[in-house]
Amino acid sequence: SQQGEEDPQALSIQEGENATMNCSYKTSINNLQWYRQNSGRGLVHLILIRSNEREKHSGRLRVTLDTSKKSSSLLITASRAADTASYFCATDNNNDMRFGAGTRLTVKP
Amino acid sequence: KAGVTQTPRYLIKTRGQQVTLSCSPISGHRSVSWYQQTPGQGLQFLFEYFSETQRNKGNFPGRFSGRQFSNSRSEMNVSTLELGDSALYLCASSFSGAWDGYTFGSGTRLTVV
Repeated sequence: SQQGEEDPQALSIQEGENATMNCSYKTSINNLQWYRQNSGRGLVHLILIRSNEREKHSGRLRVTLDTSKKSSSLLITASRAADTASYFCATDNNNDMRFGAGTRLTVKP
Repeated sequence: KAGVTQTPRYLIKTRGQQVTLSCSPISGHRSVSWYQQTPGQGLQFLFEYFSETQRNKGNFPGRFSGRQFSNSRSEMNVSTLELGDSALYLCASSFSGAWDGYTFGSGTRLTVV
């Protein structure tokens, strides 16, 4: 069964704009991870944020985590057409990793 | 370094048959997990192996089984295939578990006809 829920389900923006995706989950977690998937291929690990962290950056990615609200957000700044993909949040609770349904991001050139 | 290798990439099977999928993790990674991805159910966790032992299991029927060898390579087997087993099967490896973050293979696309 899935743990996280991403919002929105789909997002379409212009190149250069920022994209924000949200993830809500139900149970306690050890960490939360974000992955990207291109067209039915394997998932690529983007960033991991631990339960005692509130914010993390990696290049154009910024992730926040609010454990009191059981939610996380992924911000992609200055988006590019190559960022077009599905983005998944995954929650790890004692090595039990569950994925959300994903957000389909389309970046138009 | 070589990534996670899954074979075969594509497979077409008939209902009632069985199938075996293979996954070679990144060298040094001892944890291998399997996921089923379908448009309707998304990514569903099948099982995780660590040092040849199944450490976690999802909510799939007993027709789905797996194993891990001493070199950390893993196989999953699905017996008595059903149409609903058509999916992308993804293997992911990590050094010691989900807390490390996963590296995924490109998947095996299974079609049951």
